[in-house]
Amino acid sequence: GAGVSQSPRYKVAKRGQDVALRCDPISGHVSLFWYQQALGQGPEFLTYFQNEAQLDKSGLPSDRFFAERPEGSVSTLKIQRTQQEDSAVYLCASSFRDRGLGEQFFGPGTRLTVL
Amino acid sequence: AQTVTQSQPEMSVQEAETVTLSCTYDTSESNYYLFWYKQPPSRQMILVIRQEAYKQQNATENRFSVNFQKAAKSFSLKISDSQLGDTAMYFCASFSSNDYKLSFGAGTTVTVRA
Repeated sequence: GAGVSQSPRYKVAKRGQDVALRCDPISGHVSLFWYQQALGQGPEFLTYFQNEAQLDKSGLPSDRFFAERPEGSVSTLKIQRTQQEDSAVYLCASSFRDRGLGEQFFGPGTRLTVL
Repeated sequence: AQTVTQSQPEMSVQEAETVTLSCTYDTSESNYYLFWYKQPPSRQMILVIRQEAYKQQNATENRFSVNFQKAAKSFSLKISDSQLGDTAMYFCASFSSNDYKLSFGAGTTVTVRA
């Protein structure tokens, strides 16, 4: 497809379950970002990949959050032992330039609800 | 670190009229970029307009224009001839070339009334 895609679009998890969120960036985009957006708030940075290298993970809220991009294209954000405070929309964005200097194109997001 | 403040949680405007959204930011960087993003209900975020801090001329994209006041660290968005499709949440964001991340404000919900 032409844009950034994310799956699943909606995920409901019971507290304590592990979840995996997938992001397919635009083909050829070097930079990939994950953001967390709480209800009614602006997105907050989680982590950044340049190709397969995770150059910044300073925004990950705890060691329960883990992200990977092993082949420099698709990325997965994994949350272990989910908590209610993890409920949010998780946005993925990609950019054709390194360090995200180009325009960041956003996916539709995955809405995670932890019960 | 960069911080972005949007002080208007909601704005309402009549179709065909003009609305201005305010944004202030704080950064210690000299080379940075400012953006306005639009997030329609249940749809993905798209870039509306972009401003490089080193450029004095205000950016314009069709009905969207900005008023960039660098000394005051202010970056407002004007939507002219508002259309029903402009109904969305609008986020102001900043980006430094020394940093990887976009820093977003809390957003302003704009409702265009028919």
